[in-house]
Amino acid sequence: AQSVTQPDIHITVSEGASLELRCNYSYGATPYLFWYVQSPGQGLQLLLKYFSGDTLVQGIKGFEAEFKRSQSSFNLRKPSVHWSDAAEYFCAVGPNDMRFGAGTRLTVKP
Amino acid sequence: EAQVTQNPRYLITVTGKKLTVTCSQNMNHEYMSWYRQDPGLGLRQIYYSMNVEVTDKGDVPEGYKVSRKEKRNFPLILESPSPNQTSLYFCASSLYRGDQPQHFGDGTRLSIL
Repeated sequence: AQSVTQPDIHITVSEGASLELRCNYSYGATPYLFWYVQSPGQGLQLLLKYFSGDTLVQGIKGFEAEFKRSQSSFNLRKPSVHWSDAAEYFCAVGPNDMRFGAGTRLTVKP
Repeated sequence: EAQVTQNPRYLITVTGKKLTVTCSQNMNHEYMSWYRQDPGLGLRQIYYSMNVEVTDKGDVPEGYKVSRKEKRNFPLILESPSPNQTSLYFCASSLYRGDQPQHFGDGTRLSIL
């Protein structure tokens, strides 16, 4: 069965520092992979997605993610974090009946 | 504007009082689904529907019912709500099962006392 693991429940970074959020997946075929962001009290916003092709995917708000099939990973990165990036981040795998990770809460220190 | 609309956005109710959360999409999508989001668990699928009159259980269907009488609507029914159904609920839709990404509603926060 497909599943997603986000090993880090909570991460704190300083504003301007780089960020990497980890995501590992389990899926029997070629996965569709997603990162969503949820600001406090808000809904889900799609940051980026990977279906096929180039394994480095660019998203909105300066985020990128890299698909590594050998490691079953799809880590999210941002070179310089802004205070407005504080939110919860979810990794998900599809295409059918999506499975979400438990989420990583990002705190940004001034 | 393409959207998935959920109502109500917030609801506080009591144990045992039947409630319905509505979900409507204006994109003529065949596939619709319901998720619940709980701290530390992420989003988990409750039910999904591949088309009118075709519904199936997701990972956590206990205590919920759904119906799909029209393509645009996919209501979530809690016949006898209990406190463990206090959660944030999301409806989503896509053109067909496997079409990605799904379009998500803004969420419904249910508190059951």
